[in-house]
Amino acid sequence: DADVTQTPRNRITKTGKRIMLECSQTKGHDRMYWYRQDPGLGLRLIYYSFDVKDINKGEISDGYSVSRQAQAKFSLSLESAIPNQTALYFCATSAVDRSYNEQFFGPGTRLTVL
Amino acid sequence: AQSVTQLGSHVSVSEGALVLLRCNYSSSVPPYLFWYVQYPNQGLQLLLKYTSAATLVKGINGFEAEFKKSETSFHLTKPSAHMSDAAEYFCAVSEPNAGKSTFGDGTTLTVKP
Repeated sequence: DADVTQTPRNRITKTGKRIMLECSQTKGHDRMYWYRQDPGLGLRLIYYSFDVKDINKGEISDGYSVSRQAQAKFSLSLESAIPNQTALYFCATSAVDRSYNEQFFGPGTRLTVL
Repeated sequence: AQSVTQLGSHVSVSEGALVLLRCNYSSSVPPYLFWYVQYPNQGLQLLLKYTSAATLVKGINGFEAEFKKSETSFHLTKPSAHMSDAAEYFCAVSEPNAGKSTFGDGTTLTVKP
């Protein structure tokens, strides 16, 4: 079984719709992250959470919100989707007892906003 | 602040040839450095990491990287490319206890038969 899972794997939606992407992990890690990947731009950090009560904005948080429902669950919401949010979205985790922040990634969610 | 520059967004090699993917970093403190690989339709997985022990780091699938502080580089190499190495490769930097990593833009490796 995968340690970091993301649902849905693919989603097509329309401009203005609210959408939620979900991430669950069984690694027991406290830290969780949301990234988006665009061709030629690498991975850009949207939000990150060091524990259930600690949520932080990343470099591109505008237009997104998150919820850390439990240690194992971290959801990303697009309140009103727009076409330039079309991208591949990744959830990742890391262990707080590792100072070097090795990250473990989910398989990704491909989001298309029409 | 930390940053990563990957030189060359696309690299093409012949099967059996040397693979060299370049990464330069910037960090205000001694960094931790990583290479991740992303195969088509998959998430990223760790290839190798430098955590201030040996400067020459060996990873999975025959890859290795050398940390060179004087050059602020962490280039990834493999002596002989295999078709299965075709993927996108990301270099990343993390400062100790920062809890975050900064990723490069990625390099797509193509292996020609």
